[in-house]
Amino acid sequence: GAGVSQSPSNKVTEKGKDVELRCDPISGHTALYWYRQSLGQGLEFLIYFQGNSAPDKSGLPSDRFSAERTGGSVSTLTIQRTQQEDSAVYLCASSLVTSGNTIYFGEGSWLTVV
Amino acid sequence: ELKVEQNPLFLSMQEGKNYTIYCNYSTTSDRLYWYRQDPGKSLESLFVLLSNGAVKQEGRLMASLDTKARLSTLHITAAVHDLSATYFCAVDGSRYNAGNMLTFGGGTRLMVKP
Repeated sequence: GAGVSQSPSNKVTEKGKDVELRCDPISGHTALYWYRQSLGQGLEFLIYFQGNSAPDKSGLPSDRFSAERTGGSVSTLTIQRTQQEDSAVYLCASSLVTSGNTIYFGEGSWLTVV
Repeated sequence: ELKVEQNPLFLSMQEGKNYTIYCNYSTTSDRLYWYRQDPGKSLESLFVLLSNGAVKQEGRLMASLDTKARLSTLHITAAVHDLSATYFCAVDGSRYNAGNMLTFGGGTRLMVKP
């Protein structure tokens, strides 16, 4: 597609439920990233994919968070047993593989846990 | 651990004035990014700086990078209201040759008054 596409754009969920957030990167971009933006923590790196593999999972805040990427394209970020502190905007981004390329961000998925 | 600090965090300025936003970072990197974020929107890429001494300009904005000082600046010339937004710098602290893993500064909220 023309840009990074994320869904849902907004999600309200009850504490304890699982949620899935989807990201469709720019066509041809092999690198895909998930970031989280919240008032208290600013912008935080969560996970990075190169193709279908995730060499760096260091940013995932707990084992309730997981992500996968299939076919070198679409990625899903799953949060299990959501907590109120998970409320944030989850931003997906993509870039060409070479370091130093522009990273393009999607519009984000606004997650509210009530 | 890479730390990125921006200052000021908030900047209120009058149209027509000049000002500079500073971005300091704690470890060696020669890849620095500037983004703009409007309220409720995603991150828009402004500049990618890839070497010591790099300078890029777009309209009323000019960014520079001094890797020895671990400092980047975003200079605003003759500000106009349309520049009101939050500006983020981000440093690529990747451990890998490929891909970009960004650590963001806290953002500078710029408000330009008529």
